[in-house]
Amino acid sequence: EDKVVQSPLSLVVHEGDTVTLNCSYEVTNFRSLLWYKQEKKAPTFLFMLTSSGIEKKSGRLSSILDKKELFSILNITATQTGDSAVYLCASMNRDDKIIFGKGTRLHILP
Amino acid sequence: DAGVIQSPRHEVTEMGQEVTLRCKPISGHDYLFWYRQTMMRGLELLIYFNNNVPIDDSGMPEDRFSAKMPNASFSTLKIQPSEPRDSAVYFCASSTKQGFPYNEQFFGPGTRLTVL
Repeated sequence: EDKVVQSPLSLVVHEGDTVTLNCSYEVTNFRSLLWYKQEKKAPTFLFMLTSSGIEKKSGRLSSILDKKELFSILNITATQTGDSAVYLCASMNRDDKIIFGKGTRLHILP
Repeated sequence: DAGVIQSPRHEVTEMGQEVTLRCKPISGHDYLFWYRQTMMRGLELLIYFNNNVPIDDSGMPEDRFSAKMPNASFSTLKIQPSEPRDSAVYFCASSTKQGFPYNEQFFGPGTRLTVL
């Protein structure tokens, strides 16, 4: 059965710290991995990764995919209280089927 | 564009009642997804459509759930009869596969369903 596992489930850090969120997957006919940020409402898209070893960056956020070891990480540097959210990782296979992990709840203390 | 529109935003109903959730995707998007989110199970894909045709409904929990997309601008998710364990936030999302790589799904604000 295909699955996506995120760790940790929850994380509390101080503002300014750097955090690394993990996502591992076991997916048949894997095509891409996606990261979303969910605050109080609907998830919003962050990154899509299809190639191994190529880092994607957006401001203080970056992500990379390792297709050999079947995982991805999302890094957030110099965290701010506005980064507090649930971060969701999802896999997509070649049939466009999407499976989400349960998310990492990140809380940034001022 | 107004984004993905869902209605109602909140619904509280009693066990056994029929529930109908509605979604209007972003104009021009040819994929529509229905998700359910709970604390216990996270975000689960229930069903998705491509050009109004259901492609994969393997995530639909049981026969009490059904989804339709009569046209490109409207979809419904129906639960009949509803049960307390159906209580969740139901999200609709849409996307387009135009261009490569395919990437972003745009989520609606969700419908918070409580079944008493």
